[in-house]
Amino acid sequence: GDSVTQMEGPVTLSEEAFLTINCTYTATGYPSLFWYVQYPGEGLQLLLKATKADDKGSNKGFEATYRKETTSFHLEKGSVQVSDSAVYFCALNSGYSTLTFGKGTMLLVSP
Amino acid sequence: EPEVTQTPSHQVTQMGQEVILRCVPISNHLYFYWYRQILGQKVEFLVSFYNNEISEKSEIFDDQFSVERPDGSNFTLKIRSTKLEDSAMYFCASSEGVGGRQTQYFGPGTRLLVL
Repeated sequence: GDSVTQMEGPVTLSEEAFLTINCTYTATGYPSLFWYVQYPGEGLQLLLKATKADDKGSNKGFEATYRKETTSFHLEKGSVQVSDSAVYFCALNSGYSTLTFGKGTMLLVSP
Repeated sequence: EPEVTQTPSHQVTQMGQEVILRCVPISNHLYFYWYRQILGQKVEFLVSFYNNEISEKSEIFDDQFSVERPDGSNFTLKIRSTKLEDSAMYFCASSEGVGGRQTQYFGPGTRLLVL
């Protein structure tokens, strides 16, 4: 079945540091890939997505590239802010109605 | 910007009691979903709903669970006889269409605690 593996957290960074959160997946066919973010006390918000190989999703300075050859969709940001502190979820959809999520990675950014 | 809303934000109940969690999906969306997240674990799919029918459900969604669209705006999840292990955050989501490329938009969640 489908699965998503994310790096364990928490990831602790200083403001303006470079961020990478690794995500790899196992899926049948050609899934769409998503990053969702959950700020403290809030629900899941779509951060970015990519629907085919080599697509790059981007939003709010975050980027992720759909790498079919390595089955990966790593999240990156060049310079994190304190306000980016949240839990980040990688997810995939193989073409049905189900989103399959990773466990989530907590990011803590200090001033 | 349209958003999915959920009520209540928190619910505490006794084991064996029935609970109903409510959601108002985005108004022009046709597909609705429930997910749950047990503390410290993954977000898990429960059920999807379209055209007043369940279109897909997971193994978690057993006979204790039911969903309904009682009117043109609400979408509910009922747990008939709650168990301790039902304690979780329950997320409602909606999408315009179905399929891998569709984005599911999530509500803020209802935190359910079963004592």
